[in-house]
Amino acid sequence: QKEVEQDPGPLSVPEGAIVSLNCTYSNSAFQYFMWYRQYSRKGPELLMYTYSSGNKEDGRFTAQVDKSSKYISLFIRDSQPSDSATYLCAMRDLTGANSKLTFGKGITLSVRP
Amino acid sequence: DGGITQSPKYLFRKEGQNVTLSCEQNLNHDAMYWYRQDPGQGLRLIYYSQIVNDFQKGDIAEGYSVSREKKESFPLTVTSAQKNPTAFYLCASSRRTSGGPQETQYFGPGTRLLVL
Repeated sequence: QKEVEQDPGPLSVPEGAIVSLNCTYSNSAFQYFMWYRQYSRKGPELLMYTYSSGNKEDGRFTAQVDKSSKYISLFIRDSQPSDSATYLCAMRDLTGANSKLTFGKGITLSVRP
Repeated sequence: DGGITQSPKYLFRKEGQNVTLSCEQNLNHDAMYWYRQDPGQGLRLIYYSQIVNDFQKGDIAEGYSVSREKKESFPLTVTSAQKNPTAFYLCASSRRTSGGPQETQYFGPGTRLLVL
């Protein structure tokens, strides 16, 4: 079992739809959770960051973490064509000075006008 | 503007040739990283460095080498021993962690390496 599993996609939705992107993980030591957005042929950019169970909202984006189920989600409300990108979940633990991130494989989202 | 720069944007490698990818940051970050991204594979860690003159192997270090002589710079050399180098290479940096919270990585724009 891989440490981080992400829905493979691709995913295509109409403009205005609510999008749900999900990752599961097996390592209970993971404490910090991130979502990155990557446009085609560009570097990933940090979208959301959270380190506790529950929801964190930022505009149209909500990050949800359920540590008991080892499950994280990113919700996008009122999706726009500009949201079309690859979304990567990432997580890390607190072990000493270890700053390594473990990434999911990413899911490509297409929002149709 | 603070950020991470990578050069070149595209790089072509001939058989048996070593090539070096540049990564520079002016964020005053202590830690720097190199990842490789292949279609459908996500990001895989090649090497990382948490402080000048020190670096560690990541998950796929074979065929690669790095140096960290300056805080701002972390060049990656793809050697002839790397038999399948065609990929998108991403450099990232972060503040040095001490096990504390909110250490996130920021990425450069990437270098696409192609084999001739």
